Amino acid sequence: DSGVTQTPKHLITATGQRVTLRCSPRSGDLSVYWYQQSLDQGLQFLIQYYNGEERAKGNILERFSAQQFPDLHSELNLSSLELGDSALYFCASSNTGGQPQHFGDGTRLSIL
Amino acid sequence: QQQVKQSPQSLIVQKGGISIINCAYENTAFDYFPWYQQFPGKGPALLIAIRPDVSEKKEGRFTISFNKSAKQFSLHIMDSQPGDSATYFCAASNRKGTGGSYIPTFGRGTSLIVHP
Repeated sequence: DSGVTQTPKHLITATGQRVTLRCSPRSGDLSVYWYQQSLDQGLQFLIQYYNGEERAKGNILERFSAQQFPDLHSELNLSSLELGDSALYFCASSNTGGQPQHFGDGTRLSIL
Repeated sequence: QQQVKQSPQSLIVQKGGISIINCAYENTAFDYFPWYQQFPGKGPALLIAIRPDVSEKKEGRFTISFNKSAKQFSLHIMDSQPGDSATYFCAASNRKGTGGSYIPTFGRGTSLIVHP
């Protein structure tokens, strides 16, 4: 058990909709990272937060946004969903904000 | 543009054999090379990592070999076991931004099956 909790485990929705994915980092970790895993693109880094502040940004679409709250949990918001957004979304955490150390089990998002 | 190229895509090995997965990178600024193991339904887990100042790192049955001049590194799994059956990802990273983040760029993964 990595200690990183992601909810929900599965999410099915339709094109054009908006969803929120939630991540609780491992106890004591200050940083969260979001990744998208798909068959055609592999594991792609989206964004990192450290103690509530954005620290690094990857190939995150403008339709996607994230934030980290004072209790250190993070939410990834995906809007105007397209079929191509169907993927596994992973959250990872670390204590120092360097490398992602502990990955959650992911949220599987299916767009119909 | 794929910055970290991983091969093979899939690998079948008999129990007790050696599994070898290879990766190559382009960006000479990369200075940290981790390997991750992912089981079905789970997130990736950090397995072993190496920095370019050493040519080899061993942890139990897992060894990373690193060739800086060739910009290549590989994972060797000795005495492979059925429990090693998983997807393995190589990655490469370097310090980004003022905060000191190391954000891994992942290879596309290798699906390893170890037959009993």
